This record gives sequence, structure tokens and C-alpha cells, in this order.
Amino acid sequence: DTAVSQTPKYLVTQMGNDKSIKCEQNLGHDTMYWYKQDSKKFLKIMFSYNNKELIINETVPNRFSPKSPDKAHLNLHINSLELGDSAVYFCASSRFSNTGELFFGEGSRLTVL
Amino acid sequence: GIQVEQSPPDLILQEGANSTLRCNFSDSVNNLQWFHQNPWGQLINLFYIPSGTKQNGRLSATTVATERYSLLYISSSQTTDSGVYFCAVIKAAGNKLTFGGGTRVLVKP
Repeated sequence: DTAVSQTPKYLVTQMGNDKSIKCEQNLGHDTMYWYKQDSKKFLKIMFSYNNKELIINETVPNRFSPKSPDKAHLNLHINSLELGDSAVYFCASSRFSNTGELFFGEGSRLTVL
Repeated sequence: GIQVEQSPPDLILQEGANSTLRCNFSDSVNNLQWFHQNPWGQLINLFYIPSGTKQNGRLSATTVATERYSLLYISSSQTTDSGVYFCAVIKAAGNKLTFGGGTRVLVKP
């Protein structure tokens, strides 16, 4: 059983489209995250939810909207996709929001043409 | 925010060699993790080590929290050790895991 799973793993789409990436964790963790990895491999946090409540919202365009229907799921919806949104998006979870080990999903590679 | 610097940025090793990767951070932390991103892009947890020393097979890590650094040791390197090694920390009283820029390791046969 995969602990943190993301779908889809690959996504190729045109500029201006809207797309979603889904994430689920079966670890019983309270906190989930979205990270973005750019072409230079730098990893930066975008959002974090603790028990369905948004606790971290970095400087991210409001075209990105996370949604957490329950504490095991955190989805990322992106409107009006731009070329610069091309990246690998990683979902992660941890038991607590301020300590404890984070576990990452396999990543979703988004390519905007 | 907290600064996390990793060195060296790139490392080329001959199979069988040993190496040490370093992670410096600018503030007190209550979480420090080492990850290996393999050539397929997966982020593999290596160590959760906010302080002390841990060993797992050919890998070991030491964090000296009072001096704000952590070291990752790779012994008898293998080609499968190639990839990018990331250090990441959560600042004390913080809630964000902040990554360093990574060390890119290539192990040649």
C-alpha cells in the first residue's frame, strides 16, 4: 500500500486550461502539504493543511486553490495554466504540523504547452 | 525565514568511495530530515534526525543542533546512490519544512 499517493503522475496540457492533482494519504496523519519542484530541482512549500484547515499559504498565485475534503485528502486545482506552472508537484503528509517526519508522494509532473 | 545551505553542490564519486555531505542551517530547528531523490524523481526518506547520530546500512547521519549543521556520510558508494540529496528543516516554533538546494551525486562504475 502506497502511503502517500498522487494522481495523475504525468499531466500535459495547453496554456489556459484548468487542471487538478489529487493526493491521498493512508498514514493517519493530520497534516498535508503541497510542494513545487522547479526545473533547477529547488523544492518550495506552497500550502499546508492541518485537519482540513489551511495553516500555510505561501506566496502562490490565486490561480492555485487547494481543497481538503477530509484530513486524508488534499487536492490542488490550478486555473488558467501558464507556461511557468510547468514543474513537479509533490504532496506530503506528517503526523504533526510543527515536528515529526514528512513523507512524500511520488510527484506529479505537469507540462504546460 | 530559515536559511539552509548544502555543500558541495555537486559530487562525482568512483564506486566504492566514501563521502560526506554537509547541511548548515541558520536557526534552531525541531525537525531535520535527509532525503534522496533518485533518478526517477522519487523523494526517499533517509533520516529524521533533529539531533544525534543514526545509521542505516552504508549511510549514517549526524546532527549537531547547537552548532547548526548536519552531516550525511555515504560509505562504499554504489551507482544506485546517484541522485540528489536534500536536507530539510523545520525552524523551532515553525511549521514549514524548508529545503536546502541539494547535493547532486554521481557515482561512476
